[in-house]
Amino acid sequence: DAGITQSPRHKVTETGTPVTLRCHQTENHRYMYWYRQDPGHGLRLIHYSYGVKDTDKGEVSDGYSVSRSKTEDFLLTLESATSSQTSVYFCAISLGTSGRGAGELFFGEGSRLTVL
Amino acid sequence: DQQVKQNSPSLSVQEGRISILNCDYTNSMFDYFLWYKKYPAEGPTFLISISSIKDKNEDGRFTVFLNKSAKHLSLHIVPSQPGDSAVYFCAASETRANSKLTFGKGITLSVRP
Repeated sequence: DAGITQSPRHKVTETGTPVTLRCHQTENHRYMYWYRQDPGHGLRLIHYSYGVKDTDKGEVSDGYSVSRSKTEDFLLTLESATSSQTSVYFCAISLGTSGRGAGELFFGEGSRLTVL
Repeated sequence: DQQVKQNSPSLSVQEGRISILNCDYTNSMFDYFLWYKKYPAEGPTFLISISSIKDKNEDGRFTVFLNKSAKHLSLHIVPSQPGDSAVYFCAASETRANSKLTFGKGITLSVRP
């Protein structure tokens, strides 16, 4: 168990409203990621973080922002939600760059977001 | 342009038989490859991986084969069990030190009792 908690697990919102998803980890891992999963697209990287206040864009970052003010929390924000952002969002952590588990991602249980 | 391709969306096999899940990639910089398994309403879980310096890695009933020249890898499950029914994602990264994984679209495996 990698100690990842995502909240909320389910959310329904309206177009144009801001939404923040939270990923919390208990084991002080440095690397954290946000992916979205959509039918026909698999998992796509939105943003990632290599440490506090160190974030970068992934493959599908438009319309999303992230913040990492503490090692344990990685927040994903939709400034103005659109229907195309209806998806399941997964947070993931990496154990590091070397040693056992290097290169692997451990995922949270997901946050299902519906934008009406 | 999709860099990791899983061209077959689904596969159905009989319990006890072999399941072969295929994956192709286009980025020649990919150096580390992984398979993930996902059940409905759960997050993906790591299954097995292989580095580009190897052509085979085995873990119990699961074996991954890598053919670098063909940019192709496959996951073999022997024998298949009903509990193996899930979506399987192939993923790749340019280095094991970089966990920025690029995923395929996934294959839904159904194992019939």
